[in-house]
Amino acid sequence: ETGVTQSPTHLIKTRGQQVTLRCSSQSGHNTVSWYQQALGQGPQFIFQYYREEENGRGNFPPRFSGLQFPNYSSELNVNALELDDSALYLCASSGGGTTSDTQYFGPGTRLTVL
Amino acid sequence: DQQVKQNSPSLSVQEGRISILNCDYTNSMFDYFLWYKKYPAEGPTFLISISSIKDKNEDGRFTVFLNKSAKHLSLHIVPSQPGDSAVYFCAASFAGGTSYGKLTFGQGTILTVHP
Repeated sequence: ETGVTQSPTHLIKTRGQQVTLRCSSQSGHNTVSWYQQALGQGPQFIFQYYREEENGRGNFPPRFSGLQFPNYSSELNVNALELDDSALYLCASSGGGTTSDTQYFGPGTRLTVL
Repeated sequence: DQQVKQNSPSLSVQEGRISILNCDYTNSMFDYFLWYKKYPAEGPTFLISISSIKDKNEDGRFTVFLNKSAKHLSLHIVPSQPGDSAVYFCAASFAGGTSYGKLTFGQGTILTVHP
């Protein structure tokens, strides 16, 4: 059974650029959630995708957008990058259906915005 | 508005002793609670969870206690091992609303277990 994978591992961008981060969910999972973790903080919920539809969104501006594909993998897109977007971006997958479904995290993508 | 709080940024424990990590929450709608462990350069690893209908859940060396009236949960690790040294996050979620299954995390507690 393959766990959650994310790519790339690290990324450096400049202010104003756009970035796409990718996530492959754990086998058998149909729900993907994205989180942003700033240094010294806990992860903050960005949004969740369930069966290719957005299923909830946290307090992030519209320049944060996402997609989920038929194989349940997912992308996080961030437009017009700002310095404060520098963070670890975590993807988590779960079976979906109930809130008691445990979310399993990937290793994260470290984004640095200069 | 920090709905989940871990008020101790760090905890230092001797190997073999008990580690107790604490977490408080303010939203009474939360009905499912989890603990994750995180090593540097890795994603959070699920440890143990508890539903609001229970007050205790055990898994090996890890036990989570939930006190709903106090809106408080704790993670006990007995006996503590040096390999337990990591950042521990508590997280909470609830059914309903528009953020179904969203996890709200605390700020984390750095646990150091000394040999």
